[in-house]
Amino acid sequence: AQRVTQPEKLLSVFKGAPVELKCNYSYSGSPELFWYVQYSRQRLQLLLRHISRESIKGFTADLNKGETSFHLKKPFAQEEDSAMYYCALSTAGGTSGSRLTFGEGTQLTVNP
Amino acid sequence: EPEVTQTPSHQVTQMGQEVILRCVPISNHLYFYWYRQILGQKVEFLVSFYNNEISEKSEIFDDQFSVERPDGSNFTLKIRSTKLEDSAMYFCASRRQGAYEQYFGPGTRLTVT
Repeated sequence: AQRVTQPEKLLSVFKGAPVELKCNYSYSGSPELFWYVQYSRQRLQLLLRHISRESIKGFTADLNKGETSFHLKKPFAQEEDSAMYYCALSTAGGTSGSRLTFGEGTQLTVNP
Repeated sequence: EPEVTQTPSHQVTQMGQEVILRCVPISNHLYFYWYRQILGQKVEFLVSFYNNEISEKSEIFDDQFSVERPDGSNFTLKIRSTKLEDSAMYFCASRRQGAYEQYFGPGTRLTVT
C-alpha cells in the first residue's frame, strides 16, 4: 500500500528566508506526485506535479526516487505563501481509479 | 476558469438521518472522486467513479455510502444513516481523460449531531 509522510505539521519562517517542506513516500511502483495548497478557507488547489517539472509561484519540487522524497522548496518565502500544503501520491498513472493518497499536511506560516 | 462546485457548503443533520452531498464536476472531466477530511486529520480517499460505475473504493466506503451521477452534470454522495463519526469535510474532485491531476471543489462541511 502507498503512504505519504510529511514530518512537519507546522513550519514557520521569516519573509525572504528559504523554505523547504518535506515529503516522503512509500510505493513499490512508479508514483505520480503532487503538491496541493489550501489557503485559508479556500479549496485544495494543485500547486505542482512532478511530471511537468514546472515552477509555480516560485516553488519547485524534485522527485528523488532513491530517497523516495518530493520536497517542496522556495528560495525566498513571501507572506502570501502562508497556507496548508499537502503532498499527494497517485498510483494508477492516469487510468481509471487513480486515487490520491495524501500526507498529513504542513501548515506554513511566513512571518513579516 | 471552470471549477468544481459543491452544495451545500455546510450541512447539519441528526444521527441516523440520510444526507446527500452534491457536486458539479468540471464539464469535460470523466473521472470523479469523493474524499473526506475529519477535523485535524488527513484527507482520505472514499471512492472514484468512471463511466457510470465505481472504479475504486476505500475501506471507509461501506454500505452506508453510495454515489450516483443522476444526470449529465451532478455527482452525488449519499450517506444512508449518518453516524457521529461521519462529521467531516467532504471534498469532490474531478479529472479529465489522460491527465493525472485532480481538481477539487470547496467542500461540504457535514456536522452530525
